[in-house]
Amino acid sequence: KNEVEQSPQNLTAQEGEFITINCSYSVGISALHWLQQHPGGGIVSLFMLSSGKKKHGRLIATINIQEKHSSLHITASHPRDSAVYICAVRFKGGSEKLVFGKGTKLTVNP
Amino acid sequence: GAGVSQSPSNKVTEKGKDVELRCDPISGHTALYWYRQRLGQGLEFLIYFQGNSAPDKSGLPSDRFSAERTGESVSTLTIQRTQQEDSAVYLCASSPGGGTARPQHFGDGTRLSIL
Repeated sequence: KNEVEQSPQNLTAQEGEFITINCSYSVGISALHWLQQHPGGGIVSLFMLSSGKKKHGRLIATINIQEKHSSLHITASHPRDSAVYICAVRFKGGSEKLVFGKGTKLTVNP
Repeated sequence: GAGVSQSPSNKVTEKGKDVELRCDPISGHTALYWYRQRLGQGLEFLIYFQGNSAPDKSGLPSDRFSAERTGESVSTLTIQRTQQEDSAVYLCASSPGGGTARPQHFGDGTRLSIL
């Protein structure tokens, strides 16, 4: 069964802390996306990766294909990082559809 | 326009009515996706259009749901004989092409409430 699991479900941090959000999937993928959904509902694509590591500002995404695992890291977290972070994957095998994790709700307190 | 535009932003309708939701993708984006997000739930894929290829309809939950797209322009998602379980935010996204191996740009969604 093609599944995507995220952890933790909820995360509360103090401003400045280093944040890690994890995503695991069940079978081989061709692409993995990290998305950010703001409290108002808008969704922004943060990263799309199929191997290795990507960095954008204070955000870093890594993926380990062999272990079927990806992490999203936030350095020097800030209250404006408070949002739901969503992992989504395209499984190998034909369909173009993304399968989504249930999201990680991050709250960064000042 | 600068981003993906969806209309209406909110729609309230009575059970049994038909509704039509609209998505204007970013100009030049050949791929277009519809998703659904029920309250407190994760996103669910509904349908995917890529250029003039046959759409991937594998996520449509029932035959009451249909979607159209003409070429690389506007798409409409139609829900017939709405039910209360159809209440959700319906999100549209577009990308330059290459399927889900390209970043997607999301609209702000249509919040659909079925009374």
